[in-house]
Amino acid sequence: SQTIHQWPATLVQPVGSPLSLECTVEGTSNPNLYWYRQAAGRGLQLLFYSVGIGQISSEVPQNLSASRPQDRQFILSSKKLLLSDSGFYLCAWINGPYGYTFGSGTRLTVV
Amino acid sequence: QKEVEQDPGPLSVPEGAIVSLNCTYSNSAFQYFMWYRQYSRKGPELLMYTYSSGNKEDGRFTAQVDKSSKYISLFIRDSQPSDSATYLCAMRRGGSQGNLIFGKGTKLSVKP
Repeated sequence: SQTIHQWPATLVQPVGSPLSLECTVEGTSNPNLYWYRQAAGRGLQLLFYSVGIGQISSEVPQNLSASRPQDRQFILSSKKLLLSDSGFYLCAWINGPYGYTFGSGTRLTVV
Repeated sequence: QKEVEQDPGPLSVPEGAIVSLNCTYSNSAFQYFMWYRQYSRKGPELLMYTYSSGNKEDGRFTAQVDKSSKYISLFIRDSQPSDSATYLCAMRRGGSQGNLIFGKGTKLSVKP
C-alpha cells in the first residue's frame, strides 16, 4: 500500500537556527511531491513541489528551500529560521486526478 | 479576487443537524472538485470528489457542483460529534495533474 511518512511531529526551534523536515513515500515510484504550510486563518499555502529527483519548483519567495535527493524523499530546509516560519508543515503526494495524500504534518514553533 | 473563497466559520451545530458548507471560485477552467476533512493536528484527508458539474452522494455526505454559478457545496446529514473538524474545499484544472487550489477551510463543531 502507498503511505507517506513525515517527521518530526512537533518541533520547537529558536530564531536563527537551521531546519530540516523530511518526508518519504512508500509504495509508489516517481511521485509528484509537495510541501505546504498551514498557518492559522491563512489556509494551505503551497511552498514547493517536485516532479522528480533534483527538480524543485518554488511557489513563493521565502526563507525556505527544498530538495529531492531521492525519488521518494523530499526535504524542507532553512538556514536561519524566522518567527514567521512558525506553522503546520504538510508533505503530500499526488495520487490521481482527485488530489493528494497528505502526511501527518509537523507543527513548527519558532521562539 | 481570490481563486477560491470559503467562509472560515467557525460553525457550531447540534447533533443531528444538516450542515451545509460552501465554496465559490473564479476560474472557469476548474474541472475537479474535492472536499477534504482535517481533524485537529492531523493532515487533511480526502472526503468527497466530483468531476465537472453534478451531485455525488456517499452515506451522510453529498457534494454538489454548480459550474454555472462557480459554486460548490458539501452537505452533511444527521451530523455527529465525530464530524467536528475543519473542512477544506479544493479544485484544479482539467488535463494533466495540476496543483490543487484550496479554500481556507471551515471549522465545524457538532455539539452532542
